[in-house]
Amino acid sequence: AQKITQTQPGMFVQEKEAVTLDCTYDTSDQSYGLFWYKQPSSGEMIFLIYQGSYDEQNATEGRYSLNFQKARKSANLVISASQLGDSAMYFCAMSTSGSARQLTFGSGTQLTVLP
Amino acid sequence: GAGVSQTPSNKVTEKGKYVELRCDPISGHTALYWYRQSLGQGPEFLIYFQGTGAADDSGLPNDRFFAVRPEGSVSTLKIQRTERGDSAVYLCASSLRPLYEQFFGPGTRLTVL
Repeated sequence: AQKITQTQPGMFVQEKEAVTLDCTYDTSDQSYGLFWYKQPSSGEMIFLIYQGSYDEQNATEGRYSLNFQKARKSANLVISASQLGDSAMYFCAMSTSGSARQLTFGSGTQLTVLP
Repeated sequence: GAGVSQTPSNKVTEKGKYVELRCDPISGHTALYWYRQSLGQGPEFLIYFQGTGAADDSGLPNDRFFAVRPEGSVSTLKIQRTERGDSAVYLCASSLRPLYEQFFGPGTRLTVL
């Protein structure tokens, strides 16, 4: 079975500062993918970034980067230069080769960017 | 191009009624997923289609829930004899390839009175 743990129910960050959202995972599969999604108050799930378990480089997408530490089973999301529009719920998720590709989500972190 | 669409956006029904929720995936995406999201929680997997067949329906909570995808594109999630505990946002997602990103629709908010 797969499990995603997000230990920060809420986070605050000052506009233009960087913030790290924590995510740890548990799986016995060797092949898996890690994802971060953003869910604004409107409700839609927006894909942000993906990291494959065999990728040696940390994934980056614009202001988003994924700090992948395989031995520690962590996949933290780093948002640089926070903007007011970044205020939202953020979900870490995992898909494994043994789980029919379904996504297993964490409980989420509510990020608030302060002006 | 068009994203994943879901209809209706909101559905209010009475306990015991039957409901159908529709999902239209991104064109060309063979994989389609249904999730359910309760307030304050992350989405929970319900069922996964690869093409027309349900490759994994292990997340369906009971036999009141059923989903079809007869032509490998549009999918319908069907809930019989709805209960108040079925109230949630039902999300549909599609993916071009397994283990890669899934793109979500806006969801259907189901309220069972």
